[in-house]
Amino acid sequence: QVQLVESGGGVVQPGRSLRLSCAASGFRFRDYGMYWVRQAPDKGPEWMAIIWYDGSNKYYADSVKGRFTISRDNSKNTLDLQMDSLGVGDTAIYYCARYSSSALLDYWGRGTLVTVSS
Amino acid sequence: QSALTQSASVSGSPGQSITISCTGTSSDVGNYNLVSWYQQHPGKAPKLIISEVNKRPSGVSNRFSGSKSGNTASLTISGLQTEDEADYYCCSSAGSSTVVFGGGTKLTVL
Repeated sequence: QVQLVESGGGVVQPGRSLRLSCAASGFRFRDYGMYWVRQAPDKGPEWMAIIWYDGSNKYYADSVKGRFTISRDNSKNTLDLQMDSLGVGDTAIYYCARYSSSALLDYWGRGTLVTVSS
Repeated sequence: QSALTQSASVSGSPGQSITISCTGTSSDVGNYNLVSWYQQHPGKAPKLIISEVNKRPSGVSNRFSGSKSGNTASLTISGLQTEDEADYYCCSSAGSSTVVFGGGTKLTVL
């Protein structure tokens, strides 16, 4: 079965960096685009970044463009999100999710909490 | 792009039917038959319950159904059950593999 497991969350001071990872299993990882989506407390999901199945294209939400970098390693079935210049507004649960051209985001991990606080 | 518009809350009694609407624009909901709906219980990850406007993934109850007209998509839950109490989010393709989410609707089963 499809499994996505995020890691790397924690408490970080404003202006610092954090790197999130997502380990994928149960499907052919190299065939799918992957998303990072965040959800702030009591808010709806907000997509952050998408990377195509082969890493050839990446798109970012305006709110994180230039600060966040999405990457993947298809040999290790892992997805990463490098987050720099973090601000309190980046506090959220971060999910990795599998992208399907028909179902959009069809599988989600359980998320990892990032708290930006001094 | 702006978030899709959903009503903040809806409520119903067990056995009743409710409908949640999701309004976008001609650049997202109106332009693609790629609208998904997610159910999220507190502390859990969103779960896909409807894809491609009206398709149910395997294992999802047939009490959930979806539709679309113009720039507005809708999710209908019939025969409400207490376990349906959750937050519901719509999501639409916005082109180039990007998506846009709705702000969410909190369903209360009275």
